[in-house]
Amino acid sequence: KQEVTQIPAALSVPEGENLVLNCSFTDSAIYNLQWFRQDPGKGLTSLLLIQSSQREQTSGRLNASLDKSSGRSTLYIAASQPGDSATYLCAVGTDSWGKLQFGAGTQVVVTP
Amino acid sequence: SQTIHQWPATLVQPVGSPLSLECTVEGTSNPNLYWYRQAAGRGLQLLFYSIGIGQISSEVPQNLSASRPQDRQFILSSKKLLLSDSGFYLCAWSSNVGNQPQHFGDGTRLSIL
Repeated sequence: KQEVTQIPAALSVPEGENLVLNCSFTDSAIYNLQWFRQDPGKGLTSLLLIQSSQREQTSGRLNASLDKSSGRSTLYIAASQPGDSATYLCAVGTDSWGKLQFGAGTQVVVTP
Repeated sequence: SQTIHQWPATLVQPVGSPLSLECTVEGTSNPNLYWYRQAAGRGLQLLFYSIGIGQISSEVPQNLSASRPQDRQFILSSKKLLLSDSGFYLCAWSSNVGNQPQHFGDGTRLSIL
């Protein structure tokens, strides 16, 4: 069974610093990997999706990398802002029906 | 553009009462639909998914059921709620073309008394 781990569980950085969020998974046979953002009491917002054949994906200040062989993905957020404060969730696509296995998330606080 | 709606936003129900949560998607056809639960201190757990009208797959045995009476409507139900059914319920959709991102609704906060 696929297991997804996100470490650390919480992270606090000063504004302007780059954020590095880690995600690891146990089974390298994945369809894709998706990063989400969740604000308190809200639903999830999709940030980036990396196909299993891709090594990285970029959107604005966000860059996500994927190394299937080592079972890792990293989300980089450049020049963090207080508005980046949220919980970031990593999810591995396990089959062609789009089923996702989620990590527990990393709670990020960016201090002004 | 596509949008997803969930209601109600919050719900307080007594143990043993029935439940019906609704989710609808606009701006797309034949989407894949998903129900998740996010319990306090735990990650998101997939409960049900559907690839078409009347086609429901359950991921975990539980006190809940799901139905898809129309192409873009997904309903989560229970005949008798348990205390353990408390949590944050999220509906999501994705295109039926493979390898597409999932998009989530705003969720329903369910508290069982």
